[in-house]
Amino acid sequence: GAVVSQHPSWVICKSGTSVKIECRSLDFQATTMFWYRQFPKQSLMLMATSNEGSKATYEQGVEKDKFLINHASLTLSTLTVTSAHPEDSSFYICSARENTGVYSNQPQHFGDGTRLSIL
Amino acid sequence: QQQVKQSPQSLIVQKGGISIINCAYENTAFDYFPWYQQFPGKGPALLIAIRPDVSEKKEGRFTISFNKSAKQFSLHIMDSQPGDSATYFCAANSGGGADGLTFGKGTHLIIQP
Repeated sequence: GAVVSQHPSWVICKSGTSVKIECRSLDFQATTMFWYRQFPKQSLMLMATSNEGSKATYEQGVEKDKFLINHASLTLSTLTVTSAHPEDSSFYICSARENTGVYSNQPQHFGDGTRLSIL
Repeated sequence: QQQVKQSPQSLIVQKGGISIINCAYENTAFDYFPWYQQFPGKGPALLIAIRPDVSEKKEGRFTISFNKSAKQFSLHIMDSQPGDSATYFCAANSGGGADGLTFGKGTHLIIQP
């Protein structure tokens, strides 16, 4: 159980295009999903918290107009990198937490990430 | 400001030995401390997690030791195997695990056969 699927796993596109990444919780509902960014051989950095039915909460330094997040249902969140440039190339990973409330000992489960390469 | 400091950056252990990775945190609001294992090209997978009301938690070959007063926690991998070779991340968050995670910088572990 607790499977998170991320699509696509790898995308290459030209500078200036927009790219959408999907994150789905396959066997549980997730009120909250998270988006992280990981550079090669580095740690994961939280970009934003995605809440179903409301606006995402972005971490300091993350451009909300650049990284559009939509959490349309309890099992799907999308991240759109708008007008992507080479510096946006990175490994983007989502996570989801089962919807059982806070302080409920439920961990975050991660997808396998999307490798984005902007030429 | 790095809120979770992890060491060592890399670690080589002989098969059958004990692998030990240490983390220290600064934010006293943290109340959930998971460890994740990551293989190249994959997302992190949860290994084990602990809350600050216990000092130790063991699951199979993996043990977390937690020192609340020192704001430190560590992962011990007993009887380390070549299949354990991966990058390990400690992490922390608040809200009883409901908030986004702050990760350490990771430890690249190599188990030599």
